[in-house]
Order: sequence, then C-alpha cells, then structure tokens
Amino acid sequence: GNSVTQMEGPVTLSEEAFLTINCTYTATGYPSLFWYVQYPGEGLQLLLKATKADDKGSNKGFEATYRKETTSFHLEKGSVQVSDSAVYFCALLYNFNKFYFGSGTKLNVKP
Amino acid sequence: DSGVTQTPKHLITATGQRVTLRCSPRSGDLSVYWYQQSLDQGLQFLIQYYNGEERAKGNILERFSAQQFPDLHSELNLSSLELGDSALYFCASSVGQSANYGYTFGSGTRLTVV
Repeated sequence: GNSVTQMEGPVTLSEEAFLTINCTYTATGYPSLFWYVQYPGEGLQLLLKATKADDKGSNKGFEATYRKETTSFHLEKGSVQVSDSAVYFCALLYNFNKFYFGSGTKLNVKP
Repeated sequence: DSGVTQTPKHLITATGQRVTLRCSPRSGDLSVYWYQQSLDQGLQFLIQYYNGEERAKGNILERFSAQQFPDLHSELNLSSLELGDSALYFCASSVGQSANYGYTFGSGTRLTVV
C-alpha cells in the first residue's frame, strides 16, 4: 500500500538554525511527492513538490530532493525564521488524484 | 485567502444529529476533495468530485455522503454523528481531475460533536 512516515515532532530550533524534517514513503508505482505547510487556524498550503526521481523542489528557502533509492523526501532549510513556525506535512500523490499525508511535524522556531 | 471557501468555520452539534458542510472551490477549479483531520487519524482523504461526478473515494464512512452541484460548490453531509466524528474537515480544489500541481485548501470547518 501507500504510506508516508514523518519524523515525530515537535522540533524546536533557534532562529537561523538548520532544519531537516525527515520523510520516507512506501508506494506502488512512481508517485509525485509534496510538502505542505499548515499555519495555525489555516488550511494546508503547498510548499514544494517533485514529480520524479532526483528532482529537487524548492520554495521560500526550503528544499527537498526526491530520492528513489532511499524512498525519501527530506525537507531542509538553511536558516529558519520565527515565521516558519508551523506544521509541515509530507505527502505522496497516488494515481494523480489521491494524496497520502504523513502525520505532520510541528516546528517551533524561537527568537 | 486561498480562494477556497468553507462554511461554517465552527459547528457544535449533538450525537445522532446530521450536519452539512459547504465548500466553494477556487474560481476555475473543477475538482473538489474532502479531507478529515483528526488527532488520532491524521489527514484522511474522503472523496473527490470532478465537474459534478464522483471520481475517487477514500476512507469515507457510509454515514457520510457528498455531492457537487452544477455551480461546482460541494456539500459534505455527515449523519448519525458520533463523538469520534469530531475533527477538522477540509475541502481542497484543483483545476483538473489530476492533483499533480497540488491542491488549494480551504481553512476548514471544525466540527465538535458533544
């Protein structure tokens, strides 16, 4: 079956620290991979995506590389800001219309 | 504002009751998706409609049903409500049948069953 596993949170970092949130997946076929972000009281927003192996998605300083050999799509940012505090969801898209989401990782960034 | 509108934002109701959640997709989007977000189950896909027709079904209970109307808004009907149905219900939309460019999510309806 299809599933996504994310590292447990919360992750607490100081401003300007390096961020990694691990994500691994199990899938049949060749899914697209996504990261979504959810700020308090809001819906999920697409952060970045990658549609095939070795693709790198990037947006707002965040990056993730689709690694087929390790079935991973880890999210990274070189220098986090307080405004990055949110819940981050890794997801795979199966059959072009159905997302499987990870459980979410809460990020707290302290000034 | 994402362009996806969900109403109401909050809903409190008693067990055994029936409620209707409403979603208006972003302008130009033909697909609507419903998700349930709960603490124990995470974010679960319920159902997708495309241009009025059901396209995909996920973990949707038989007590739940949905439809998409000619003006493309969608309604999710939840009946015989149980305490465990308390959750955030999100609607999302996309242009076509495929979500390969990602969804646009609404801000959700928080349902509390007491």
